[in-house]
This record gives sequence, structure tokens and C-alpha cells, in this order.
Amino acid sequence: QVRLVQSGAEVKMPGASVRLSCRASGYKFTDYYMHWVRQAPGQGLEWMGTIDPSGGRTSYAQKLQGRVTMTRDTSTDTVYLDLSSLIFEDTAVYYCTTRGGTSYSYSMTVWGQGTTVTVSS
Amino acid sequence: QSALTQPPSASGSPGQSVTISCTGTSSDVGGYNYVSWYQQHPGTAPKLIIYEVSKRPSGVPDRFSGSKSGNTASLTVSGLQADDEADYYCNSYAGSDTWVFGGGTKVTVL
Repeated sequence: QVRLVQSGAEVKMPGASVRLSCRASGYKFTDYYMHWVRQAPGQGLEWMGTIDPSGGRTSYAQKLQGRVTMTRDTSTDTVYLDLSSLIFEDTAVYYCTTRGGTSYSYSMTVWGQGTTVTVSS
Repeated sequence: QSALTQPPSASGSPGQSVTISCTGTSSDVGGYNYVSWYQQHPGTAPKLIIYEVSKRPSGVPDRFSGSKSGNTASLTVSGLQADDEADYYCNSYAGSDTWVFGGGTKVTVL
């Protein structure tokens, strides 16, 4: 079945950078966009951006432009999220999500288990 | 890329219906038939319940229905059950490979 497995929790200082990973399985990795969505404690969902794994093209939320980079490794079916210049407000659970393998257009069908990032001094 | 507007809360008794609105602009909700809805229980990842405005993924009960008029989409949960108590989020494609979420609505089953 389609599965997304994310890397483990991170604790970072303000100003630092963090790299998260998300390994996909159970579908053709290069056929479906992968999104990153985050959720701050007690807050709603925020779309961060998307990557087209076939060519690596990316699109990011305006508020994160300049701090976020999404990349992929097609040899391991893994996408990466790099977030730099971390601030306290980046403390959140980060999810990777895709519609991988489904016909549910423009949706986010399968979700990773989430990675908690804590920014703390 | 402003968040879509949802009411913060909604409630209903078991067996009743509740409708949640999701208001955007002509650049997102009004411009595309790519509105989706997600249900999230505490401590878990969101679950897709509606896609393309009104379509249900396999396994989602027909108690969940979606619609759209102009720049506003709606989710109706009929025959409320205890397990429907959760947070609900709308999401819309906004063009140029961007998406936007609503702020979320907490549904309480009285």
C-alpha cells in the first residue's frame, strides 16, 4: 500500500536550519506531486509548498520564500524539506502528503506520520 | 495567498446535520473545482473526505457531502455521530501549483 515514512523529531536553536525527509513507497514516485504541510501547536494546517518529483520543479508558499527548499532523490523515492533561519514560530508538526496512486485530483490523500520540529533556545 | 475563511466552530446533536462554509476568492475557491476537505482527530494526521468539491474517496460515508457556489464551498455532515467530532479543514488549489488551507472548524457533537 502507499506509505510515507518521515524522519524523526528535531530540536533546533533559533537561526539554525533543519532538514526533514519523507520516503515514499507503494506507488510510482515520479508520477505525483509531494506537498509539505505544517501545523503549529493548537493551530491549523498550513501548506508550505510542493515538488514535482519527476523533474524537481518546486512551488512554495509566499511567506516561506527564501527560507524553504524542497528537493527529491529519485533513486530512493525520498523528498527533503530544508527550512533555514528558524524562528520560534516554526515550531510545528511537519507532514509530507501526496495523492500518490489515486485518482483524487488536486488532493492530499496519503499523509506521513508527521515530524515534530521544536525551535528552542 | 491568504488562508480561506472558515467558522472556528460548529455543533449539532447526534443525528442532526452541520454545514461548514469555506470562503475564498475568485483566485482559489471560485476559480477552480479543486476544493477538498479534511477531517482531523486530535493527535492524528488529516484524512481526505471530499475532493473536487463534491466527490467522496472510497470508504468515506455518504453522510459527508460537499458543494460550491461562487467563492464559497461548503461541507455538510448529515446524521452526526460521536466520531464526527473533529477539526475540519478546507483546501483549494490556487493556481500556479499553489494550494491554500482554511483556518479550520472544530465540530462538536452535543
